[in-house]
Amino acid sequence: GAVVSQHPSWVICKSGTSVKIECRSLDFQATTMFWYRQFPKQSLMLMATSNEGSKATYEQGVEKDKFLINHASLTLSTLTVTSAHPEDSSFYICSAIPSTDTQYFGPGTRLTVL
Amino acid sequence: QKEVEQNSGPLSVPEGAIASLNCTYSDRGSQSFFWYRQYSGKSPELIMSIYSNGDKEDGRFTAQLNKASQYVSLLIRDSQPSDSATYLCAVNLGSARQLTFGSGTQLTVLP
Repeated sequence: GAVVSQHPSWVICKSGTSVKIECRSLDFQATTMFWYRQFPKQSLMLMATSNEGSKATYEQGVEKDKFLINHASLTLSTLTVTSAHPEDSSFYICSAIPSTDTQYFGPGTRLTVL
Repeated sequence: QKEVEQNSGPLSVPEGAIASLNCTYSDRGSQSFFWYRQYSGKSPELIMSIYSNGDKEDGRFTAQLNKASQYVSLLIRDSQPSDSATYLCAVNLGSARQLTFGSGTQLTVLP
């Protein structure tokens, strides 16, 4: 149980384009999902908390207009990186909570912006 | 002061030895503590959670929590080369079930 999937697993795009990343909880419903970003040799940095049916809560320094989050159902949250630039290249990971407060992570999406 | 601190390592132990990983946290109100393992290029996977003072054992892994001293540790017995990874300590600091992660300790188990 507690399986979280992400799609795509990797994506390469040109600077200025937008990229959508999906995060799904496969065997449970998740009212809350989290989006993280991880740069090489660094730890996970929380970007935002995604709440089903309401607006996401962004961490300080994360541009909400650049990183659009939609949590339209209890099993799906999407992160759209708008007008991507090379500095947005990173490993994006989502997590979800089936119960209590234990977070289970998706496999991650590696974004490369040329 | 960082909220969750870990020794970055790298930590090297021979195969079969005990690996000891430590983590300290700053918020005395923290209630939930987690250890995740992250292989290079992969996302974190949960090893253990611990909520009460004392030891919690799961196979070769033992988590230890001391809230008075604000530290949590992970012991890996009979270490195997496949245990070589970065180990992340995560603490729920109490707000909205968010986790704060330490910077991770890189462990290498030498065959």
